[in-house]
Amino acid sequence: DIQMTQSPSSLSASVGDRITITCQASQDIGNKLNWLQQQPGKAPKLLIYDESSLEPGVPSRFSAGRSGTDFTFTIDSLQPEDTATYYCQQHDTLPLTFGGGTRVEIQ
Amino acid sequence: QVNLYQKGAGLLKPSETLSLTCIVYGGSFRSYHWSWIRQSPGKGLEWIGEVNYEGLTKYNPSLKSRVTISVDTPGTRFSLSVTSLTVADSAVYYCVRVVVAGTWWRPDLWGQGTPVTVTS
Repeated sequence: DIQMTQSPSSLSASVGDRITITCQASQDIGNKLNWLQQQPGKAPKLLIYDESSLEPGVPSRFSAGRSGTDFTFTIDSLQPEDTATYYCQQHDTLPLTFGGGTRVEIQ
Repeated sequence: QVNLYQKGAGLLKPSETLSLTCIVYGGSFRSYHWSWIRQSPGKGLEWIGEVNYEGLTKYNPSLKSRVTISVDTPGTRFSLSVTSLTVADSAVYYCVRVVVAGTWWRPDLWGQGTPVTVTS
């Protein structure tokens, strides 16, 4: 199975800050990476697909990119409603696998 | 408005079989793949498998021997069965609509989640 390693596992930042989460794949997955947000008590929600494409309706402060097998997810100008756990997920090779998650808290 | 509604029992004993159904309200059943994903504190998010409207399935090899995902006819719901349950199968189970086209695998709509507890 492809291992997806996310870091950090948690972070705390202030409203208006820029934060970045990284996800490393254990092998080449091309651009077949999604980013999901899970707010407390809710189901996950797709934010970004195919490495950097924003899902319709998702605010433009969310963005993502790639360098080799390392993927980054960024929130520009953090908002209170961004309190959540964020997951990366690869869909290049079965079984589909997820990162361990990054919990984002607002200071 | 399209919605996924999950039904099924959430408290089971070891060795029993889990049966969950996901009812699709609105939208086209044929245009998507339909997946089950579970989430537990110990293993995080885990893809169980998926089915398309024709009934073609893909499963996680770690669960394949115990899992069946199927669609009904005329295609407004899909189901999950997991046999020989153990405590390790305790998790929140989600049904998910997936857009599969070209390079896309976009899980764009999720059910409300069903907490499943396996305990003697």
